[in-house]
Amino acid sequence: AQTVTQSQPEMSVQEAETVTLSCTYDTSESNYYLFWYKQPPSRQMILVIRQEAYKQQNATENRFSVNFQKAAKSFSLKISDSQLGDTAMYFCAFMKPHSGAGSYQLTFGKGTKLSVIP
Amino acid sequence: GAVVSQHPSWVICKSGTSVKIECRSLDFQATTMFWYRQFPKQSLMLMATSNEGSKATYEQGVEKDKFLINHASLTLSTLTVTSAHPEDSSFYICSTGTSGQGNEQFFGPGTRLTVL
Repeated sequence: AQTVTQSQPEMSVQEAETVTLSCTYDTSESNYYLFWYKQPPSRQMILVIRQEAYKQQNATENRFSVNFQKAAKSFSLKISDSQLGDTAMYFCAFMKPHSGAGSYQLTFGKGTKLSVIP
Repeated sequence: GAVVSQHPSWVICKSGTSVKIECRSLDFQATTMFWYRQFPKQSLMLMATSNEGSKATYEQGVEKDKFLINHASLTLSTLTVTSAHPEDSSFYICSTGTSGQGNEQFFGPGTRLTVL
């Protein structure tokens, strides 16, 4: 079974500054997918960024980027130029390869509550 | 991305009654849907996986007779909380996963259930 660990229950960052959220995972799979989801106060889950394990290049989406270290099973999220709208819960998630039972199933970490301070 | 709706967005019911929550994929065919439960300030806990036209697969510890899931079409899955009790009060979220949308789940906006 896969496990996802987010060791920072809460974090805060000044507006316009940079913050990094950490995530580690454990799996015996060689190929898989990793995600960061954002859940603002509205509670709608929003995909922030995704990474395929077979790709060595770190994914980036505008102000969001990841540091994917496959050997260390680490997948941190960096938010640059933090904005007030980034205030939310952030969940790291793991998806195993699509085959048979459990396809597309996500395993979530416990989340990190990020507060952006004006 | 794909659009997933849930209805109702919130519901209050009396203890002992049953409540049905609908999850619809509005612009694509969802062969697989997932139902999550989320307690305040906690992560999403997978309750069950439903595949269109077949029985749902429930996670360990989830009572299948209490949380009835029906996935009768490629656009609709329903979760019925039977004989609800106050401890069933929670936030319920559905999502979909299908090869037609790549390696991503699309989430509904959630349903807040309060059982009095």
